[in-house]
Amino acid sequence: ETGVTQTPRHLVMGMTNKKSLKCEQHLGHNAMYWYKQSAKKPLELMFVYNFKEQTENNSVPSRFSPECPNSSHLFLHLHTLQPEDSALYLCASSQSLYSGRDYNEQFFGPGTRLTVL
Amino acid sequence: GENVEQHPSTLSVQEGDSAVIKCTYSDSASNYFPWYKQELGKRPQLIIDIRSNVGEKKDQRIAVTLNKTAKHFSLHITETQPEDSAVYFCAAMTRGGSEKLVFGKGTKLTVNP
Repeated sequence: ETGVTQTPRHLVMGMTNKKSLKCEQHLGHNAMYWYKQSAKKPLELMFVYNFKEQTENNSVPSRFSPECPNSSHLFLHLHTLQPEDSALYLCASSQSLYSGRDYNEQFFGPGTRLTVL
Repeated sequence: GENVEQHPSTLSVQEGDSAVIKCTYSDSASNYFPWYKQELGKRPQLIIDIRSNVGEKKDQRIAVTLNKTAKHFSLHITETQPEDSAVYFCAAMTRGGSEKLVFGKGTKLTVNP
């Protein structure tokens, strides 16, 4: 499969569950991102990884734990979430950051629709 | 940090009319301004972008203008078609700086046949 893929596409979990979201990119990129998209809110950046190193944590609660084992894979581990965490979680990738490249388009995955009961 | 405001939040036009979406940004260091289109149930996709050394860029029916002095940029869609119906997001980034995209809240565009 090409581009950026995310699994699962839909997830329903209770507040005491532990689950993980997975993102994989087949574009040869070195930067990966997690965004949260809620109704009536802008896309909120959560985490950024550049060459597997976390370069940004946008004040995200510790119940969200990212993991980037290599430049092609990104995970978001979830535990003890709250109902207000229900949202669409989007993964994106781009060429490496701080490379001086003039063109650094972010490519998004289809997202995981998360519902916390 | 950067703050991006986007207006209007909803826009309804008749097929064939033009649509304009406006964004303002706060950080004068921002130098890259992409626009993303998100159709219902789909992922955001880049449709056009502009860099701070350019005042206007056009790609077929869409164009983007940038006013660095006033710190605002706009998306123009001419001869709108029903398939243009989607949510459009503007964003700003400081290339060579934080390199984080900060998004506006989005504009839901409806093109009525």
